[in-house]
Amino acid sequence: QKEVEQNSGPLSVPEGAIASLNCTYSDRGSQSFFWYRQYSGKSPELIMSIYSNGDKEDGRFTAQLNKASQYVSLLIRDSQPSDSATYLCAVHSGNTGKLIFGQGTTLQVKP
Amino acid sequence: EAGVAQSPRYKIIEKRQSVAFWCNPISGHATLYWYQQILGQGPKLLIQFQNNGVVDDSQLPKDRFSAERLKGVDSTLKIQPAKLEDSAVYLCASSLKIRQGAANYGYTFGSGTRLTVV
Repeated sequence: QKEVEQNSGPLSVPEGAIASLNCTYSDRGSQSFFWYRQYSGKSPELIMSIYSNGDKEDGRFTAQLNKASQYVSLLIRDSQPSDSATYLCAVHSGNTGKLIFGQGTTLQVKP
Repeated sequence: EAGVAQSPRYKIIEKRQSVAFWCNPISGHATLYWYQQILGQGPKLLIQFQNNGVVDDSQLPKDRFSAERLKGVDSTLKIQPAKLEDSAVYLCASSLKIRQGAANYGYTFGSGTRLTVV
C-alpha cells in the first residue's frame, strides 16, 4: 500500500463546474495535510493546508479532512481553465517528520 | 521575503558523469529538504536536514548520491556517477523548524533543477 494515494486522472470538468480531488493516506500518526498545485514545468505551490477534521474554505477552494477514514479531499468551485494543473496531496507525519506526496491528479478544465 | 533559491535551472550530462545542485533556503528556515520528481510522479523525499544535521536520508541512494549542509544554511546535492534513471527534477524545499509531534505549516519549494542524463 502506498503511503499517500491519489487517482492520477486526468480528471476533466467543464468550466464553471466543481472539481473534486481525493487522497487517502496510510499513516494514522499524520497531523498536517496539504494540497499543492503544480503547473507543467513548474515547482509545486501550496494552495491549502488542513489540520483538523472537517472543512476549510479559502476562496473557491475547500479542503476536507476525515482522519477516521484517512481521507483528504479538495473541492474547486467554479473551475476555470487556469485551474488546469496537477494537484498533489501531501501528508506530514508528526512521528517521522516526513512530508510524503501522492503521485498527483491531473485536472483539465475545458472552456 | 526571498524564496528558496536553486541553481542551475537545467543541466544535461552524460551517464557516469558527476553533477552538483545548490540550494539556498528561506532565511530562518531550519529545515531543508531535497526531493526528486520523475516525470509523471509526485516528489520523492531524498534527504531532510535540520540545521546542519541529517534527520532522514533513508531514500537517498548513498552509493551515488551525497548531500551536505555544512553551515546550516545552503546545501548541495551531488550525484556521482549519474545514471539514465536519475533524469528528473530535483526540488529543494525549506520550512520552519520541525518539532517532533507538532503540526507543520507547509514547505516552500524552489524552482527546481531539471537534470537530463544522456
